[in-house]
Amino acid sequence: EPEVTQTPSHQVTQMGQEVILRCVPISNHLYFYWYRQILGQKVEFLVSFYNNEISEKSEIFDDQFSVERPDGSNFTLKIRSTKLEDSAMYFCASSPAGGMSQPQHFGDGTRLSIL
Amino acid sequence: AQRVTQPEKLLSVFKGAPVELKCNYSYSGSPELFWYVQYSRQRLQLLLRHISRESIKGFTADLNKGETSFHLKKPFAQEEDSAMYYCATSSGGYNKLIFGAGTRLAVHP
Repeated sequence: EPEVTQTPSHQVTQMGQEVILRCVPISNHLYFYWYRQILGQKVEFLVSFYNNEISEKSEIFDDQFSVERPDGSNFTLKIRSTKLEDSAMYFCASSPAGGMSQPQHFGDGTRLSIL
Repeated sequence: AQRVTQPEKLLSVFKGAPVELKCNYSYSGSPELFWYVQYSRQRLQLLLRHISRESIKGFTADLNKGETSFHLKKPFAQEEDSAMYYCATSSGGYNKLIFGAGTRLAVHP
């Protein structure tokens, strides 16, 4: 069964540095998402992406964050200048189409640790 | 704003006991409700969704619009059911998921 893959599984970065988290969505999926989960808290929506542009973003997704689909397979989340509070698990997800009743498939996540 | 509430952080039962994981939601339109499960060191997986009205791994969930609930039930828990369970609702359009805080189910032998 096809899966969403995320790399790296664990990223350790100094505060203030840029970090790029990578995701390869399922190949025939059209909608892509990033979520994060701070330790001990709920999974929170960051951004959704369709047709090469952001379709929705949360208030967490400020100017420090950006997403890109640089080629036909990768979907990346960039944090420009990391802060301690960016430490979290970051999950990528994809779905075959938007709208109701289209289940999202999640990757294993990247654990981001900011020192 | 849409919100999902899972009041229990931990539910601990013995093997063979019935299980009910509670989920309440607030949503102004017609909600789409899901249960996701995360086994130890694995990814979030869709367990079931209300529109399918199916039973997966013995689990069922019924949408109760009057009580705004979507509780997850299983009549006889198994040890392999031990996991984190997240209730979620979708927000139409591009299907953003809004998650509850999750309930850890621990099934003891």
